[in-house]
Amino acid sequence: GQSLEQPSEVTAVEGAIVQINCTYQTSGFYGLSWYQQHDGGAPTFLSYNGLDGLEETGRFSSFLSRSDSYGYLLLQELQMKDSASYFCAVRDLSGGYNKLIFGAGTRLAVHP
Amino acid sequence: ETGVTQTPRHLVMGMTNKKSLKCEQHLGHNAMYWYKQSAKKPLELMFVYNFKEQTENNSVPSRFSPECPNSSHLFLHLHTLQPEDSALYLCASSHAGTGENQPQHFGDGTRLSIL
Repeated sequence: GQSLEQPSEVTAVEGAIVQINCTYQTSGFYGLSWYQQHDGGAPTFLSYNGLDGLEETGRFSSFLSRSDSYGYLLLQELQMKDSASYFCAVRDLSGGYNKLIFGAGTRLAVHP
Repeated sequence: ETGVTQTPRHLVMGMTNKKSLKCEQHLGHNAMYWYKQSAKKPLELMFVYNFKEQTENNSVPSRFSPECPNSSHLFLHLHTLQPEDSALYLCASSHAGTGENQPQHFGDGTRLSIL
């Protein structure tokens, strides 16, 4: 089967750092993506790791360890607008085309 | 504005009705996707189209019928739905191809309620 595990909820304060973990068990793996979704809005792409290591994009960083089937999203200098749901997703090319397998999402609440 | 437009934003229908969801993308993509999003569950991939051809049907009941007339438009035809089909239905698009990562661009979704 295919599964991704991530915490259901995380709470933090403005200015803090938060890490959202994701572990996966999938039959095909070609990379790990992260998407952000605000309430009532569309999921939007944040970051992608195809190889092991850290990718940094402004206040957001993402890490991947393929040997551990593990990745995380790191959000620094948290702002109120970062309150949203964050989804990890495995890129699967096993059918010869792109598809994403999503986790259930982590709801981040940022407080003053 | 994500470049992917879904209509309607909200839909309430009875179990015997027939309705259609529409998705249009203005990004020049050639792959399109339908997802179902229910509370506290992963986004469930329903259908994938590459260059107008269906490449994935993720064991979706036949009461959901997709149509992709061209690379810019995707429809989901609904008939004889069940209450458990109430959910947010999301459309996404991306460049096809298995080389570099191709992020998916999502619409805002259609909130579907089955009475």
